[in-house]
This record gives sequence, C-alpha cells and structure tokens, in this order.
Amino acid sequence: EAGVVQSPRYKIIEKKQPVAFWCNPISGHNTLYWYLQNLGQGPELLIRYENEEAVDDSQLPKDRFSAERLKGVDSTLKIQPAELGDSAVYLCASSLDAGGHNEQFFGPGTRLTVL
Amino acid sequence: GNSVTQMEGPVTLSEEAFLTINCTYTATGYPSLFWYVQYPGEGLQLLLKATKADDKGSNKGFEATYRKETTSFHLEKGSVQVSDSAVYFCALTQTSGSRLTFGEGTQLTVNP
Repeated sequence: EAGVVQSPRYKIIEKKQPVAFWCNPISGHNTLYWYLQNLGQGPELLIRYENEEAVDDSQLPKDRFSAERLKGVDSTLKIQPAELGDSAVYLCASSLDAGGHNEQFFGPGTRLTVL
Repeated sequence: GNSVTQMEGPVTLSEEAFLTINCTYTATGYPSLFWYVQYPGEGLQLLLKATKADDKGSNKGFEATYRKETTSFHLEKGSVQVSDSAVYFCALTQTSGSRLTFGEGTQLTVNP
C-alpha cells in the first residue's frame, strides 16, 4: 500500500514568489494534516481536515497561507507571497479518522528554501 | 496549553550501550503519548505509543511507559545499534482531538 505522497520534495524560490505543495494521503484516510517543521524543532500543526472540511486552522497564517482539500482526498497548501522565514519542511500526514489515539502517517515532506 | 519537553541533545553512544531519552509533558486530561522516529532522508515514522496511564509501548527493542504521576514517557533501549541513529520525537494528542504536539527532537548517533 502506498504511503502519503508529497510533491515536490524540494523547492527553491525567491521571496515574494508564490509556491504550492501537494499531498495525496493514504487511501481511505479521512483526516489530513499539514505540519510545519523548522530546522531543529518538532513539527507544528498548520491545518487539519476531516474529509473536505478544515476543522483546525488556528495556527495557519491566513494572510499568506491557504489550503484546500477538494473532494476530501488530496490537498494543496499554498504560500503567497513567500517570505524568508517560510524556509522549512512542510509535512503532510493522514489518519483513518480524528481520534486522538489514531496513528498519523507522515509523508517525506517538502523542503522549501526562500532566497 | 499542551507541551512536550525532551532531553537536550545530541546524544552519542557506542553500539550496544543503553539508551534513555527523557520526555515529560504538560496536558489536561488523559492524552495519548507517542514516540516518532525520523531516519536520515526519510519521513516521520511512529515508533511506539501508549494511550492510558501505566501502558507500556514497545517496538524494535524500544520501550516507553506512560507515567501519569510524573507526567513522563521516557524512551529506553537496552542495546542500541548503528542503525538506530536518527532523530527521536516525543509527542502527545488529546483524546478529544488529534493535533499532535511534538517535543523538539533528540538527535541520536550510535558509533560502531
């Protein structure tokens, strides 16, 4: 069974440019998460989807970040415009449902460098 | 709010040494506790978990016991291998929601 797929794996852009990341969760997983991982730190949740509904986006900087999960399957996270401080790894994860004991399966991440 | 504190790293051990990585947490109610591992160039993988007090999670020779009285979930392994070199993250979720709160991670290097 395929795991969580993310693309691209690496992205280098100049500041003020837009960028988008794509995630395809494990088939059948209703809950999808986007996490931000800064260098030397643990991941922090940006947004959580249950099916196509964003149910926890309190940590998403909505002035420049947006996300969507049309049809409740794959998801896109966008930054526009990117800033130098956005350089980090963006992780996508999925789980069967939102129960706190459920395992979250992580993708390999997209490493973003903003110059 | 919830928080997780891990022992400062990095940790360097010789092969077959005993490993302990300390983890303490702050949370309301009864969180579920996890250890995730990140091998070089790979994504986060669940190593073990415990969902209630006194539960012991175990996998690949690693163990951790959910201690509510000390709010701890220390990771242990009796004999580490070079292949255990990775970054280890302690994390928790609340039962009412699945936001994972991570510690800062501990880099482990095992030398032959």
